[in-house]
Amino acid sequence: DVKVTQSSRYLVKRTGEKVFLECVQDMDHENMFWYRQDPGLGLRLIYFSYDVKMKEKGDIPEGYSVSREKKERFSLILESASTNQTSMYLCASAEQGYTFGSGTRLTVV
Amino acid sequence: QKEVEQDPGPLSVPEGAIVSLNCTYSNSAFQYFMWYRQYSRKGPELLMYTYSSGNKEDGRFTAQVDKSSKYISLFIRDSQPSDSATYLCAMSEMFSGGYNKLIFGAGTRLAVHP
Repeated sequence: DVKVTQSSRYLVKRTGEKVFLECVQDMDHENMFWYRQDPGLGLRLIYFSYDVKMKEKGDIPEGYSVSREKKERFSLILESASTNQTSMYLCASAEQGYTFGSGTRLTVV
Repeated sequence: QKEVEQDPGPLSVPEGAIVSLNCTYSNSAFQYFMWYRQYSRKGPELLMYTYSSGNKEDGRFTAQVDKSSKYISLFIRDSQPSDSATYLCAMSEMFSGGYNKLIFGAGTRLAVHP
């Protein structure tokens, strides 16, 4: 089974901090995704990557950046965290169908 | 209008009931339709997928797609307390993780009580 591992389950950060969310998959998938999930809004795509060093903006990229230096690792970066970025962040890896990590619940205070 | 509409619930049913979960969509190019189940504090997991119109059955779960009406359903027979979760529909133009990304519904929260 594909495993997608997100480095932290819970994070609390201060406004203005630079935040790194890490995601690693173990099945050599080309495609990886970062979503945020908010009540009533569902999953919204932030960024995705279809190859090493390649990235594409999703629907809500503002305030975020990503890095894909190795195939198995896809990092989401909040350059200067703000309270409206408090959310559940989900990473997914895909070949046919998406496999999600367990999520990182980020609180920005 | 959202591309995919899903009633957020919550839906509360007694154990053993038949549950019907639904989504409507507006993009007629969608061909692949998926249902994900998400338990509390976990990531979504793929439950079922179907291609184009028709039915697909897997144990107590049946997925239906009606492309003419742009309407998909997930039926759960003999529902169990362990089915209590949020169910998300998702769809794409291709069954691939590439450029044709998945579009998700907001999710329906289901509670099955003993």
